[in-house]
Amino acid sequence: ETGVTQTPRHLVMGMTNKKSLKCEQHLGHNAMYWYKQSAKKPLELMFVYNFKEQTENNSVPSRFSPECPNSSHLFLHLHTLQPEDSALYLCASSQESRRGTVHRYGYTFGSGTRLTVV
Amino acid sequence: KNEVEQSPQNLTAQEGEFITINCSYSVGISALHWLQQHPGGGIVSLFMLSSGKKKHGRLIATINIQEKHSSLHITASHPRDSAVYICAVTRYMYSGGGADGLTFGKGTHLIIQP
Repeated sequence: ETGVTQTPRHLVMGMTNKKSLKCEQHLGHNAMYWYKQSAKKPLELMFVYNFKEQTENNSVPSRFSPECPNSSHLFLHLHTLQPEDSALYLCASSQESRRGTVHRYGYTFGSGTRLTVV
Repeated sequence: KNEVEQSPQNLTAQEGEFITINCSYSVGISALHWLQQHPGGGIVSLFMLSSGKKKHGRLIATINIQEKHSSLHITASHPRDSAVYICAVTRYMYSGGGADGLTFGKGTHLIIQP
């Protein structure tokens, strides 16, 4: 375990279903991220939460809806997905600076949720 | 053209060989990361660099900021080193600190044969 836990590990859902992916970190980090990894494509940033506020939405379709209730938990709510949304969804966390002071630390990744949309 | 380019895309080598994976980037960065991804998907952070060179066991990472280039070296390679190695960058934020996520290369699929 890396300190970032994702559930479920595998998910199969129909296009009309609603499901949620969960990410939890116990590292005391203040930033959390959702990334998508599709076959034969580089990892893509989807959402960033910094100090519980969403700071970046990388042109992600509205059928993906993130939620960050506190600095330890991050959710990705899914509804009316398409088969091309099938991918590995990875959560990560990091300890970032407050604005005005630049510090950079490493990222810790979860093991991912393998999503298949049928 | 991707902002982060890696080469080679695939590499097969014999156990014991010295391995080099290259990464070039075209944006301003505050840090460069080397990541390892095993089958099953989990990603492990190997190095974070903003200058110079870092070493951890048999792994060495170097970065040349002026040339916007980094290399990951594996000495005395072993079959357990077989994985996908991913170069990623944290873009430089002119506005100061705050989380900004990573921009990734496509990865290098490394196979070390016994």
